[in-house]
Order: sequence, then structure tokens, then C-alpha cells
Amino acid sequence: GDSVTQMEGPVTLSEEAFLTINCTYTATGYPSLFWYVQYPGEGLQLLLKATKADDKGSNKGFEATYRKETTSFHLEKGSVQVSDSAVYFCALSDLADTGRRALTFGSGTRLQVQP
Amino acid sequence: DGGITQSPKYLFRKEGQNVTLSCEQNLNHDAMYWYRQDPGQGLRLIYYSQIVNDFQKGDIAEGYSVSREKKESFPLTVTSAQKNPTAFYLCASSIKGVLVTGELFFGEGSRLTVL
Repeated sequence: GDSVTQMEGPVTLSEEAFLTINCTYTATGYPSLFWYVQYPGEGLQLLLKATKADDKGSNKGFEATYRKETTSFHLEKGSVQVSDSAVYFCALSDLADTGRRALTFGSGTRLQVQP
Repeated sequence: DGGITQSPKYLFRKEGQNVTLSCEQNLNHDAMYWYRQDPGQGLRLIYYSQIVNDFQKGDIAEGYSVSREKKESFPLTVTSAQKNPTAFYLCASSIKGVLVTGELFFGEGSRLTVL
């Protein structure tokens, strides 16, 4: 079946540092890709998405580009803030994954931003 | 306000007892999902339902049961057969199947601890 692999955390950065969280995937077909964010004590919320190769998703200063050739969807932000401290999940949906009508999530990467 | 309500937020259970987690949504969404979150393992799919009176097993359905008698409600029962039930449980919904929109709306979760 399909799978998502994320870099292990925690990732600890100083405020205004550059952020990259790596995500690679294995899929049967041509999946849509997502980043979700979970702030402390809350459920997850969609951060950004990309539905086809070379698409770039962006939101709140975060970006990720769907790279089919490297099966990757790395999350980036040019200057992180303390308020970005959260757990970030990469996920995919794949119509070709027979019988599965739900998102597949990675293990999550915790980001801690220090002032 | 529209959203997903999970209750209780914290629950303690003795070994051998069944417990039911509630999930209610007033978003008029067709599909609902249950995920389990464990440290370092991300989110794993337990059950999902795309329409009323129908549901499918996810990746880790053993020891769990669900029902979908109403569109707005999708309760999860953790039975005594679940070997390691201590976890954080997240309920989610989507407008149609998530493969159409890619966006899941999550509740704030229920933390179950088995004593």
C-alpha cells in the first residue's frame, strides 16, 4: 500500500531561521499531497496541498512543491516564528490505492522555535 | 459555529472495559473518519464511513467498532479486545469523500488512558 515518510523530529530552530521538513512518498497512482499542522492541544488542520506534479502549495508563508521525479513534497518556510511551533504531518490521497478512501499520513515532525 | 465535537476529552478506563468515544459534526459532511495517534507513529486509520449506514475498516480496526446511524454522528467503541488502547483518538470529516477535496476537518481529540 501507499506510504509517507517524514524526517524525524524534533526540529529545533531559532526565530527567523529557514525551515525544511522532508517528506517522501510511495504511491500506486498519482496522488494528491498535503501538509497538515497540529498546534498543541488541538486537532489537525490543513496547511497546504498540491494535486499534480510540479504544483506548488502555499499558505501562511509555508510552501511545498510536488516533485514526481523524486517522489517528494518537502515543506519550507523562509523565516519561522515562535507561533509556528507545532507538529507537521505530510499526507497523501491516492485514487489508485484500491478500496482506500482515506488519507495516509506520515509519522509527523515536531517543530520547536525558540525566541 | 460549525465544527466537529469529540467527547470526552479525557477518559480513563480499567482493563477489560469497553468505552465509547463520541464524535458529532454539524458541517453536513458525508464522510467521517477515526484515526489513532501514538507518539512517533503519526496517524493510523481505524474506521471510516462515506455514507450513513455504511463503514469500512482502516489499517488497525481490530478491537474497535463503529456505527453510522445518523449523518452527523460516528461513535467509536474501544472494546476489551483492543490490546493497547491507550492513545489519542481523532475524529475527522470531509464534505464528500476525502479523495475529492483532500481536506479533512478534525475534532480536538479524545485521550484514552487504560489503568
